[in-house]
Amino acid sequence: DVKVTQSSRYLVKRTGEKVFLECVQDMDHENMFWYRQDPGLGLRLIYFSYDVKMKEKGDIPEGYSVSREKKERFSLILESASTNQTSMYLCASSLAATREQYFGPGTRLTVT
Amino acid sequence: KQEVTQIPAALSVPEGENLVLNCSFTDSAIYNLQWFRQDPGKGLTSLLLIQSSQREQTSGRLNASLDKSSGRSTLYIAASQPGDSATYLCASPIYNQGGKLIFGQGTELSVKP
Repeated sequence: DVKVTQSSRYLVKRTGEKVFLECVQDMDHENMFWYRQDPGLGLRLIYFSYDVKMKEKGDIPEGYSVSREKKERFSLILESASTNQTSMYLCASSLAATREQYFGPGTRLTVT
Repeated sequence: KQEVTQIPAALSVPEGENLVLNCSFTDSAIYNLQWFRQDPGKGLTSLLLIQSSQREQTSGRLNASLDKSSGRSTLYIAASQPGDSATYLCASPIYNQGGKLIFGQGTELSVKP
């Protein structure tokens, strides 16, 4: 079974802090994604990566950056956390663009 | 531009009932259609994926169908149980954006004992 893990289930940070969210997949998947999910807005793509060191902006990249130094790990970085980044963050991976996408358990981030 | 819609937003049924969840999409040139389940505060669990060349897929009490000509997919749940209570999402990938998924807004299902 594919397994996607995220470093934290719940996280509370202060405004202005630098925040790292980590995602690891164990199935040698090429593509990895970071989404955020908010009530009434659904899931929105922040960034995705289709290979090591390769990244592409999604729909809402402002205020975020990503890092993919190893194939299995995709990190989301909030350079200076703000209250409007309070959200559920979901990581996903897939073997290729049109293959089944698998999600991690999510990180509920609260920025105060 | 692909848009995915799920109606109704919420559904409540008594235990044991067979039910159908609906998903509509605007661009019939889809690669696949994926159904997910999400429990409150949790991540998404993949239930079924139907390739564009397929008409349906089955897993246990779940059966998903795909009709590209009408722009519709349905998820059929047989003999519903309280444990089926969750939000069900359908999604379609955008190939030239790495497979970014376009999601419907979900149907929140409640199965009453």
